[in-house]
Parts: sequence; structure tokens; C-alpha cells
Amino acid sequence: AQSVTQLGSHVSVSEGALVLLRCNYSSSVPPYLFWYVQYPNQGLQLLLKYTTGATLVKGINGFEAEFKKSETSFHLTKPSAHMSDAAEYFCAVSGDTGFQKLVFGTGTRLLVSP
Amino acid sequence: EADIYQTPRYLVIGTGKKITLECSQTMGHDKMYWYQQDPGMELHLIHYSYGVNSTEKGDLSSESTVSRIRTEHFPLTLESARPSHTSQYLCASSGGGREKLFFGSGTQLSVL
Repeated sequence: AQSVTQLGSHVSVSEGALVLLRCNYSSSVPPYLFWYVQYPNQGLQLLLKYTTGATLVKGINGFEAEFKKSETSFHLTKPSAHMSDAAEYFCAVSGDTGFQKLVFGTGTRLLVSP
Repeated sequence: EADIYQTPRYLVIGTGKKITLECSQTMGHDKMYWYQQDPGMELHLIHYSYGVNSTEKGDLSSESTVSRIRTEHFPLTLESARPSHTSQYLCASSGGGREKLFFGSGTQLSVL
């Protein structure tokens, strides 16, 4: 079985500051890990994903995440926040090999102040 | 342009009404999904489909039903809506294996 824990339902940063959104996962099989972003009144868009290979994954809009197996973590970072980054971010894990059944975390709302 | 579409975007309806939420994708994906999303909660998978004439219930029990008569179309139906069905419903599709999901913009359902 798979599960995801996102620490912090809300994260507030100033424009230009580092963004760090935390995600820890549990999986009985080698996981595939995803970060999705949801802007107001829109569906979810894929930011980045980890499948196998390089543990540092780069995504769209300057975001990246590092898979740390020893810590069962997949934290999302961005060096410098923009106002347009304000959105809800969801971490997800897929452990099934034949079917894409994602298990999502509860989401973290990122607030960016001027 | 390949995409996934959901209609209506918002729906307010009275208790006891039958409703159908539409979902269509133009990417030729075999796999389609319905997720339910409540504020501050994780998304829960309520239905999925491997392909035409194949539907399965997801991890979260739901009184809704789905059908998959055509590859591109995966509608969700509530025979008798209740206030407890108020939620956001997200449709998604994917290609083979463990590829990423493509999501629609969602339907926000409010049952009075």
C-alpha cells in the first residue's frame, strides 16, 4: 500500500525567497513520485516526476525535487518564489506497476507575498 | 490540440435530481479516472477504466456510476443527488504504464 504525507497545509513566503514544500511517502514497492500544481479554478498540472535513475528531478517553472530513499522524502523546492507560484501543490505516489493509481497527499497551499 | 474536457464547470442542483458529469479526452488514452476532491483533503480515486467496456470502483466508495462506451468519453452519473455529494470531481486520463495523468479542469458540484 502507498501513502503520502505533506507537512503544512499552508506555506507562506516572500517573493524572491526559497520555496520548500515537504512530502514524505510510504510504499511497499519502488515508488514513482509526482508533484502536481493546481491553480484556482483549474485542474491539476504535472510539475515533475521521479521514476528511476537520477534522484534530482527538474520540472517546469524552475521547480525541482530530490528523491531520498533513506528519508522516504520527495521535497519540492524553488530557489526564488514568484507571485505566479501561488497555488496548491499536491505530492503523489504510484506503487502499482500496471496501472496508474495515484495516491495523493492533502495538498499544500503556497502563498507568496510581495 | 490534445486535451481533456469536463462539463459543466459548475453545477448547483437540488436533492434527488439525476445528474451526469461529462468527461472527454482527445489523446486516445485507454485509461481514464474520476477523482473526488474536498477542500483541504487529498484527492480520492472513485472510479477508473482500463478501456472500452471496462470500469472499476476506486479506493473511495461512491454512490456514483460510470460508463465507458467510447474510448474518449467517461461520464459519471448520480441517480439521486444528495448534499453529501457536494464536492469537486476531477477527471483524468493516462497512456500506458505508469505515465503521468492529464487532468480536466474539474466540475464543482453543489447539491442543495
